[in-house]
Amino acid sequence: KNQVEQSPQSLIILEGKNCTLQCNYTVSPFSNLRWYKQDTGRGPVSLTIMTFSENTKSNGRYTATLDADTKQSSLHITASQLSDSASYICVGGGGADGLTFGKGTHLIIQP
Amino acid sequence: DTAVSQTPKYLVTQMGNDKSIKCEQNLGHDTMYWYKQDSKKFLKIMFSYNNKELIINETVPNRFSPKSPDKAHLNLHINSLELGDSAVYFCASSPIAGFTDTQYFGPGTRLTVL
Repeated sequence: KNQVEQSPQSLIILEGKNCTLQCNYTVSPFSNLRWYKQDTGRGPVSLTIMTFSENTKSNGRYTATLDADTKQSSLHITASQLSDSASYICVGGGGADGLTFGKGTHLIIQP
Repeated sequence: DTAVSQTPKYLVTQMGNDKSIKCEQNLGHDTMYWYKQDSKKFLKIMFSYNNKELIINETVPNRFSPKSPDKAHLNLHINSLELGDSAVYFCASSPIAGFTDTQYFGPGTRLTVL
């Protein structure tokens, strides 16, 4: 069964600091790895999509990495801002399930 | 200029009632989806339509019936609502089918069944 696990479950950091969110996935056959940002009460918004041949992809202050051998991905946020407070969802693409969503990491940026 | 819109945003109803949620996208995408996000925050796909044709129908009760009058609209009708149907329902769209493209999500409809 396809699974996506994220850590930590929640994270609190000070404004201006960097942070890294982790994702382990078991998706077969694997096609792509996505990161979404979901603000409270809103729908998820795509940050990055990486195919199995890509190692890194950036979107502004967000940088995602992918290691297809260890089936791990990370999302690094640089110089955090208050507006970065949200849930960050890792999603594995592929297989009969189409997309397998993780539970998300709830990130809080404190001033 | 909303890309994917849903109505209503909130829906509170009694058990046993029938309700509908509407979704519209103005992105010109061929594929639309319905997702359910439960209290544990997992998003799970329910249905996918490509050019008005059903292409994915996950294991959901047949009380849930999607309808796509055209490729810009995908509505969700729910019969005989149950307590367990309480969740946030998200509509999404993507340029093509196949889960290789970016998906664009609507704002969600929070359904509460009393």
